[in-house]
Amino acid sequence: KAGVTQTPRYLIKTRGQQVTLSCSPISGHRSVSWYQQTPGQGLQFLFEYFSETQRNKGNFPGRFSGRQFSNSRSEMNVSTLELGDSALYLCASSQRTSGNYEQYFGPGTRLTVT
Amino acid sequence: ELKVEQNPLFLSMQEGKNYTIYCNYSTTSDRLYWYRQDPGKSLESLFVLLSNGAVKQEGRLMASLDTKARLSTLHITAAVHDLSATYFCAVDLAGGTSYGKLTFGQGTILTVHP
Repeated sequence: KAGVTQTPRYLIKTRGQQVTLSCSPISGHRSVSWYQQTPGQGLQFLFEYFSETQRNKGNFPGRFSGRQFSNSRSEMNVSTLELGDSALYLCASSQRTSGNYEQYFGPGTRLTVT
Repeated sequence: ELKVEQNPLFLSMQEGKNYTIYCNYSTTSDRLYWYRQDPGKSLESLFVLLSNGAVKQEGRLMASLDTKARLSTLHITAAVHDLSATYFCAVDLAGGTSYGKLTFGQGTILTVHP
């Protein structure tokens, strides 16, 4: 079974621009969660989507948004980029059914904002 | 709000020695995960602990969960250089308003010296 894939793997953007990151979950997984990892704040939860619905959201400003498509693929968007948005963005997929809640992480997208 | 705390945050070990990383969490949960992260890489799942008293072992690593004490441990036996990495514990409240959200500890940076 193929693992979680994320594109692009690396991205350099300028302050004020916007960016879209993509995540394809493991086949059959309907839940996709997104996390931001920075040296200062560690790993922080952004949001979770299940069957195209956002069910949970972390404490991030409205500039951070996401969506999920009918094939469970997910995108996250960051508008009006700030220097502090430079981070490793990780997505994780899980079945979240039948008591199986384990999350499998993708390779991440390294975003650098200059 | 769930808080997850690891200690120590930095661990410098000699090869061949034993040590334990502790993970304390503030809210009752019986779903705890341990991940490993190498520099610049994503999270690799090590252990899934789903019940009180659960113990899992893989090679030189052994993880346990005490839900009553809200404590998990990751024990390293006879450390080798290849174990050098950052180790995270993460708690999943599995439902309620915590859909798809893992709350991570700060991470323990392990360095194994010859």
